[in-house]
Amino acid sequence: AQSVTQLGSHVSVSEGALVLLRCNYSSSVPPYLFWYVQYPNQGLQLLLKYTSAATLVKGINGFEAEFKKSETSFHLTKPSAHMSDAAEYFCAVTRPFGGLTFGKGTLLTVNP
Amino acid sequence: KAGVTQTPRYLIKTRGQQVTLSCSPISGHRSVSWYQQTPGQGLQFLFEYFSETQRNKGNFPGRFSGRQFSNSRSEMNVSTLELGDSALYLCASSLRGGADEKLFFGSGTQLSVL
Repeated sequence: AQSVTQLGSHVSVSEGALVLLRCNYSSSVPPYLFWYVQYPNQGLQLLLKYTSAATLVKGINGFEAEFKKSETSFHLTKPSAHMSDAAEYFCAVTRPFGGLTFGKGTLLTVNP
Repeated sequence: KAGVTQTPRYLIKTRGQQVTLSCSPISGHRSVSWYQQTPGQGLQFLFEYFSETQRNKGNFPGRFSGRQFSNSRSEMNVSTLELGDSALYLCASSLRGGADEKLFFGSGTQLSVL
């Protein structure tokens, strides 16, 4: 069965600091992995996805993630946080028979 | 291009009632999927429709059902509402429902069951 674990339900960083949001997954088949972001009172928006091409994936708004099969990880990073990055971030893996399994989410707070 | 539209935005019902939520996908998208979001359980997959057929289903009781129309618009229905059904219901669309596809989400319908 697929599962996603996001370490840290709440991460707080200073503006300009490195953002690191952790995601580990388990999958019985080669996975497709995604990071989505949710701003207050909005739906989810795709940041980036891994679909078995390059292991280092670049997304929107300066975010990137690296797929590490040996560590079953897909951590999300951004070199320099901006106030507008404050949101909830979700890691997700494809289910074998359709749909996505999401992690519980990590709320990112950016302090001035 | 208009995004995914969900109506209504907010809904208040009482236990035992039934409710219907609506989702209009992005024009040209043929796949619509539904997710339930709660503080305790997070985001959980309900079901996916493609070309008017339910293609995939999550682990929810039969009280949760849906359908898709020929114009790709979708509705989901919850019968005999329970307090635990209070949640944000999100609809997402994609071109063909491929596992590697980007999902476009609506803003959701916030359902409160009293």
